[in-house]
Amino acid sequence: EDKVVQSPLSLVVHEGDTVTLNCSYEVTNFRSLLWYKQEKKAPTFLFMLTSSGIEKKSGRLSSILDKKELSSILNITATQTGDSAIYLCACRNNNDMRFGAGTRLTVKP
Amino acid sequence: DTGVSQNPRHKITKRGQNVTFRCDPISEHNRLYWYRQTLGQGPEFLTYFQNEAQLEKSRLLSDRFSAERPKGSFSTLEIQRTEQGDSAMYLCASSRLREGVNQPQHFGDGTRLSIL
Repeated sequence: EDKVVQSPLSLVVHEGDTVTLNCSYEVTNFRSLLWYKQEKKAPTFLFMLTSSGIEKKSGRLSSILDKKELSSILNITATQTGDSAIYLCACRNNNDMRFGAGTRLTVKP
Repeated sequence: DTGVSQNPRHKITKRGQNVTFRCDPISEHNRLYWYRQTLGQGPEFLTYFQNEAQLEKSRLLSDRFSAERPKGSFSTLEIQRTEQGDSAMYLCASSRLREGVNQPQHFGDGTRLSIL
């Protein structure tokens, strides 16, 4: 059965720290991996990764996919309290998208 | 771009009642998805449409659940004879194909269903 596993499940850091969130997957007919940020309501899109080894960056956030290791990481540098959220990893095949349980990140002032 | 719109935002109902939720996707998006999310879990895929055709249904979608997208625009998700276990956030998302590549899904704020 397809699965997406995120680690850690929760993480507490202080402002200014750098964090790395992990996602590993076993998905048949894998097409792409996506990262979302979920605060109180809708997950908001961060990155979509389809090719191995190509880093995507947006401000303090970056992500990379390793298709050989069936994994991805999401890095956040110089964390701020506004980064506190649940970060969801999702893998897409031909039809549906399977999510991990998420990593709950808490950034303390 | 007004985003994905869902209503109602909250629905409280007694066990055994039927409920219907509506989703209005981003206007140029031809794909529409329904997910269910419970506390501490990521969204679980339920079903998706390409235009008006329902192309995939999860095993999670029991025969009490039915989804429609009659004109390829808005969609409805109906749950009949609701049970306690149906309490969850129901999320809708939409996406489009661009040059043969399925673009990222954009989510609505969800409908929170509480079964008394």
